[in-house]
Amino acid sequence: ELKVEQNPLFLSMQEGKNYTIYCNYSTTSDRLYWYRQDPGKSLESLFVLLSNGAVKQEGRLMASLDTKARLSTLHITAAVHDLSATYFCAVDKSNGNKLVFGAGTILRVKS
Amino acid sequence: EPEVTQTPSHQVTQMGQEVILRCVPISNHLYFYWYRQILGQKVEFLVSFYNNEISEKSEIFDDQFSVERPDGSNFTLKIRSTKLEDSAMYFCASSQRQGLAEKLFFGSGTQLSVL
Repeated sequence: ELKVEQNPLFLSMQEGKNYTIYCNYSTTSDRLYWYRQDPGKSLESLFVLLSNGAVKQEGRLMASLDTKARLSTLHITAAVHDLSATYFCAVDKSNGNKLVFGAGTILRVKS
Repeated sequence: EPEVTQTPSHQVTQMGQEVILRCVPISNHLYFYWYRQILGQKVEFLVSFYNNEISEKSEIFDDQFSVERPDGSNFTLKIRSTKLEDSAMYFCASSQRQGLAEKLFFGSGTQLSVL
């Protein structure tokens, strides 16, 4: 059974600081997603990572994938308050968009 | 930007009642999904739907659940006889294709409360 583990589950950080969220998964998969969710809102797609060594960047967020280690990271650079949200990683179990989600990381950026 | 819309945003029902959750996927999308998130727990896959039939379903999606695309725009999830443990946020999603690099677009969810 595919398991997806995120850590930390809660992250409180100061504006301007850097931090990394980790996502480990238990079985082979070549497709990993990162989503952002604001309270009461939908899941917004941030990144789709398709292959080993894939790195994608959007603004202050950078995601990477190491399929050999079954690890993805979401790195936050110089955090700002607007990044406060819950971040989920998800792995595609069957190449059919049957996603298995991690528990989510609640990020709070304090000014 | 096109979006997936879901109605209602909140639904309260009594245990044992039937509920229908409605979704309007993005218009040129062909693949449709339901996911749910019980409060404080992970987002879980329920079912995928393509070409008017279920492609895949999870263990959660038992005989009490059904999906339908009654017309060219709506996609519905019906729970026949709700249980307390069905209380959750239900997300509809759609995609244009399946396969590499295909993004899922999620709706804003229906919060279902079963009393």
